[in-house]
Amino acid sequence: SYVVTQPPSVSVAPGQTATISCAGNNIGSKSVHWYQQRPGQAPVVVISYDRDRPSGIPERFSGFNSGNTATLTISRVDAGDEADYYCQVWGPTTEGFGGGTKLTVL
Amino acid sequence: QITLKESGPTLMKPTQTLTLTCTFSGFSLDTSGVGVGWIRQPPGKALEWLAVIFWNDDKRYSPSLKSRLTITKNTYTKQVVLTMTHMDPVDTATYHCVQRGRHSGPDDHWGQGILVSVSS
Repeated sequence: SYVVTQPPSVSVAPGQTATISCAGNNIGSKSVHWYQQRPGQAPVVVISYDRDRPSGIPERFSGFNSGNTATLTISRVDAGDEADYYCQVWGPTTEGFGGGTKLTVL
Repeated sequence: QITLKESGPTLMKPTQTLTLTCTFSGFSLDTSGVGVGWIRQPPGKALEWLAVIFWNDDKRYSPSLKSRLTITKNTYTKQVVLTMTHMDPVDTATYHCVQRGRHSGPDDHWGQGILVSVSS
């Protein structure tokens, strides 16, 4: 089955930029969605189809997908962004999540 | 407003078969592109995608669990049922019902989830 790898944790100071990667073989040919999950809550879509921001998601959230890596970038990070982030990969014969990344705001 | 609610047993014994029901409202599962699926999350661990069924009865399963899973729908009663055979303690997790508006996702709407524990 298709393997998707995320770093277990990313730490960033307030006001800085956080970058979370999602690696998979030729992931650039697939669709990637990103979810934010706060403790005790259901996940929420923050980026869909590699780079689309759903209504209500701040412009600070952006996505990119090419080659073997998809990336979620959060600029001007604040304490409210501290959460677990998951990438979800969709392909014609592939569907699954990465292992998740815990974003810590220092 | 789209809502989804999971129901089923919360405690199971190893080797038993789990049957979960998702009852939804606010959309129709005979609308082109729409799908309803299941995602689980063991306590303190990552999300795991399980299965999805679409408006046209197309189904997709997790390759690692495919032999144990069956997903069905009833458009009239607005329910989707997931069965998982041969339950094991490692299957202890919160099981979420989810809805997507397009075949390729994302899962925009989530139920609150049901915690299923497996123990002898």
